[in-house]
Amino acid sequence: DQQVKQNSPSLSVQEGRISILNCDYTNSMFDYFLWYKKYPAEGPTFLISISSIKDKNEDGRFTVFLNKSAKHLSLHIVPSQPGDSAVYFCAALSNTGNQFYFGTGTSLTVIP
Amino acid sequence: DTGVSQDPRHKITKRGQNVTFRCDPISEHNRLYWYRQTLGQGPEFLTYFQNEAQLEKSRLLSDRFSAERPKGSFSTLEIQRTEQGDSAMYLCASSLGRLGKNTGELFFGEGSRLTVL
Repeated sequence: DQQVKQNSPSLSVQEGRISILNCDYTNSMFDYFLWYKKYPAEGPTFLISISSIKDKNEDGRFTVFLNKSAKHLSLHIVPSQPGDSAVYFCAALSNTGNQFYFGTGTSLTVIP
Repeated sequence: DTGVSQDPRHKITKRGQNVTFRCDPISEHNRLYWYRQTLGQGPEFLTYFQNEAQLEKSRLLSDRFSAERPKGSFSTLEIQRTEQGDSAMYLCASSLGRLGKNTGELFFGEGSRLTVL
C-alpha cells in the first residue's frame, strides 16, 4: 500500500533550466511533507519541508508547493545545476508522528 | 564527524546465516529509527526507539528480525536465518524528539548494504 507516490522514476534537465519533481499522496491525515536528496552510496539528506498550513515554502533555489485538495506536492529547482543530480525522495509524516512514508524516488540528471 | 554512523557498510552472507548491523546515532538524539530500502523503492519503516524503548514496529519486521537499543545510545539490528529477500540497504536514522514541523527531522546514516547469496 504505497501512500506516497512518485510516478516519474527519472528526469533529465539542462543546466540552468527548471527541474520539477512531483509527488502524490493518498492519506489525508498527512500534515507535514519533506523532500530528501540521496547521492549514491550515501544516506538521504534533508532538503526542504512544508507544513499543511502552507502552500509554498522556498529555500534558495528550492521551492516546494503543496496542493492539499489534490493531495499533490512538487519540488522546483531553479536554476538546476549538475550537482543537483541525485535521487529525490518525497516523504510524508504519519498521523502518529512517528514515521515518514517515502515515495519511490525520482532520479534527476542535470546535463551540463 | 558527529553524524549517524553505521557498521558494516557492506555485508555479504550466505542464506541461513545470521547478521548484525550496528548504528550509532547523533549523540544528543533520543529517537532512533531503522528503515529498509530495496532497489527502486524508497526507504520503508521498520522500527523506532525512544531512548531504550522500542515503541513501534512495522509488519515488515518479521520474527527473524530483532532490534535493540540497550542503553539508549547505539542500536543493533539482527537478522536471523537470512533469506535472499532480505537483501537490501538497511538505513538507520535519528531525530531529536518527535518528528514534524518545529521539532525534529530525520538524519540518516550511510546505510548497511546486505547481500544474501
